[in-house]
Amino acid sequence: KQEVTQIPAALSVPEGENLVLNCSFTDSAIYNLQWFRQDPGKGLTSLLLIQSSQREQTSGRLNASLDKSSGRSTLYIAASQPGDSATYLCAFLMDSNYQLIWGAGTKLIIKP
Amino acid sequence: DVKVTQSSRYLVKRTGEKVFLECVQDMDHENMFWYRQDPGLGLRLIYFSYDVKMKEKGDIPEGYSVSREKKERFSLILESASTNQTSMYLCASSFRTVNSEAFFGQGTRLTVV
Repeated sequence: KQEVTQIPAALSVPEGENLVLNCSFTDSAIYNLQWFRQDPGKGLTSLLLIQSSQREQTSGRLNASLDKSSGRSTLYIAASQPGDSATYLCAFLMDSNYQLIWGAGTKLIIKP
Repeated sequence: DVKVTQSSRYLVKRTGEKVFLECVQDMDHENMFWYRQDPGLGLRLIYFSYDVKMKEKGDIPEGYSVSREKKERFSLILESASTNQTSMYLCASSFRTVNSEAFFGQGTRLTVV
C-alpha cells in the first residue's frame, strides 16, 4: 500500500528565499504525481503534474521533480513571496481506479 | 480554463436534515470525485464516478450517497445529516486517462448543528 509523507509539516521562511518542499513515497508503481496548493478555507489549485516517465515539470517560479528510484518528489519555489503562503499537497495516481493517494501537506508561511 | 463549481461555499444544516451538495464541471470530464477534508485526517474519498449513472464507494461512504444523472454534474447527498459530518467537502474531476490532471472546486464548508 502506498504511503506518502510530507516533511516538514510546517515551514516559515523570509520572503525572497528559495525553498524546497519534500514528498516521499514507498511504492514507485505510480502513473503520475500532482502538486496542489490550498489557501485557508478554500479548494485545491493544481500546480504541476508529472507523469511517471518524466523527471520534472516547471511552471513559472515552481519546479517539481520526481525520482522514483529514491521514492521522492520535491517542489522547488524560487524567490518566495508572501502570496506563496498556503498548504502544499502532493498526490499520486496509483492505478486505473483514478483514485489519488494524498500526503498530509506542508503549511508554508512566507514572512514579509 | 477548467472550471469545477460547487453550489455553495458555506452551508449550515440541522441534524437529521437531508442535504444536497452539487458539483458541476465544464470540461467534459468522465471522472468526478467527492472528498471530505478534516484537520489531522487529510483528504478522504467518499465516492467517485467514472461515467453517468456509475458510482464507486471510496474510503468513507457511510452516511452518504451520490447521484450522477448527467456527465457534468455530480451530487453528494447526506441522507440524514449528523454533527460528525461537519466538514469541508471538495469536489474534483478529471479525464478517464492515467495522465489526466485532477481539478478541484472551491469547497463547501458544511456545519451541522
